[in-house]
Amino acid sequence: DPKIIQKPKYLVAVTGSEKILICEQYLGHNAMYWYRQSAKKPLEFMFSYSYQKLMDNQTASSRFQPQSSKKNHLDLQITALKPDDSATYFCASSQDWEGADTQYFGPGTRLLVL
Amino acid sequence: LAKTTQPPSMEAYEGQEVNVSCSHTNIATSEYIYWYRQVPHQGPQFIIQGYKDYVVNEVASLFISADRKLSTLSLPWVSLRDAAVYYCIVTLSGGNYKPTFGKGTSLVVHP
Repeated sequence: DPKIIQKPKYLVAVTGSEKILICEQYLGHNAMYWYRQSAKKPLEFMFSYSYQKLMDNQTASSRFQPQSSKKNHLDLQITALKPDDSATYFCASSQDWEGADTQYFGPGTRLLVL
Repeated sequence: LAKTTQPPSMEAYEGQEVNVSCSHTNIATSEYIYWYRQVPHQGPQFIIQGYKDYVVNEVASLFISADRKLSTLSLPWVSLRDAAVYYCIVTLSGGNYKPTFGKGTSLVVHP
């Protein structure tokens, strides 16, 4: 059974629209993260959360907003989508934020913005 | 934070041992070395981490030079399933972990 679920697997959006990427982890972890990987750039660390609180934000744009409704959920809302946002977005988790260096990654959501 | 340099690609045959090198000449005394791998359409997978000397686990071994400027990931008896991009990351540990993934080393395994 998958321990980190990301939905949807594929997503196509139009420029200017808004989408929410879903992430749920069933590892009992307390820390969760978002990464982005595009064809033009290597895997980039975006956000880290611990016990539903934002710990680190490496994303310059406010169009990217994590949302945590439960400890094992960390969704990513992206507003005013641009073609440059096209990428695969990976969610990850670790037991604790203090142990952030041992992260488990989800399968990713591939986003294409037209 | 330290920058890493890896060969862009490597090739091997099944059953061979593969050694992937990583240069991190500016590594700070507080930084650790991590290795991940990623197969297409999947997220990265943690392989091993170390600070100095030699580390081994059930998947791989990691040798770190005495000056810590070079590390080598060793994969014994590679199979087709080991074909992936291997990333060497140097960063602080724990809550200060901020990985910077480069282009990695693409390992091709031939039957």
